[in-house]
Amino acid sequence: KQEVTQIPAALSVPEGENLVLNCSFTDSAIYNLQWFRQDPGKGLTSLLLIQSSQREQTSGRLNASLDKSSGRSTLYIAASQPGDSATYLCAVASGTYKYIFGTGTRLKVLA
Amino acid sequence: DTEVTQTPKHLVMGMTNKKSLKCEQHMGHRAMYWYKQKAKKPPELMFVYSYEKLSINESVPSRFSPECPNSSLLNLHLHALQPEDSALYLCASSQPPLTSGRSTDTQYFGPGTRLTVL
Repeated sequence: KQEVTQIPAALSVPEGENLVLNCSFTDSAIYNLQWFRQDPGKGLTSLLLIQSSQREQTSGRLNASLDKSSGRSTLYIAASQPGDSATYLCAVASGTYKYIFGTGTRLKVLA
Repeated sequence: DTEVTQTPKHLVMGMTNKKSLKCEQHMGHRAMYWYKQKAKKPPELMFVYSYEKLSINESVPSRFSPECPNSSLLNLHLHALQPEDSALYLCASSQPPLTSGRSTDTQYFGPGTRLTVL
């Protein structure tokens, strides 16, 4: 059974710092991996999707990498801003439609 | 337009009520999903429809009844719910893979319906 874990569970950093969020999964047979952000009480916003054949994806200040063999993905956020404060979730596609979400990292960027 | 809409935003219901949640997308996506999210927990997959047919039911209790009347609309009918069913219900959509055994494209989520069962 696929299990997805995110470390750290919570993170508080001053504005301007570069930071790394981690996502680990137990079964390397995945179709793709998505990173989302969720603001309190809201829906999820897709940030990046990495197909199983890819190693990384970039969008603006965000860079996500995928190492399937070790069961890891990282989300790198450059020059963090207070508007980046949210919960970040990774989701692993372990089947065509079957997404398993990680436990999430609650990020607070202090002005 | 990359928007998924959900109505209502909030719903309070008693254990004997029957209510429905509605989800709509106009991106031409042929896969639609229902997730349940409890406070401070990740979303959990409930149902998936692909081309208007139920593809996945994650052993959800029968008091939750999904329906996909057309390619743009997804409903979740609720009946005889329990207080522990109180949660944020999220709808999502994506484009199915062109060939079997491949992954879907990006999932787009709606804002959710906050359900409280008294």
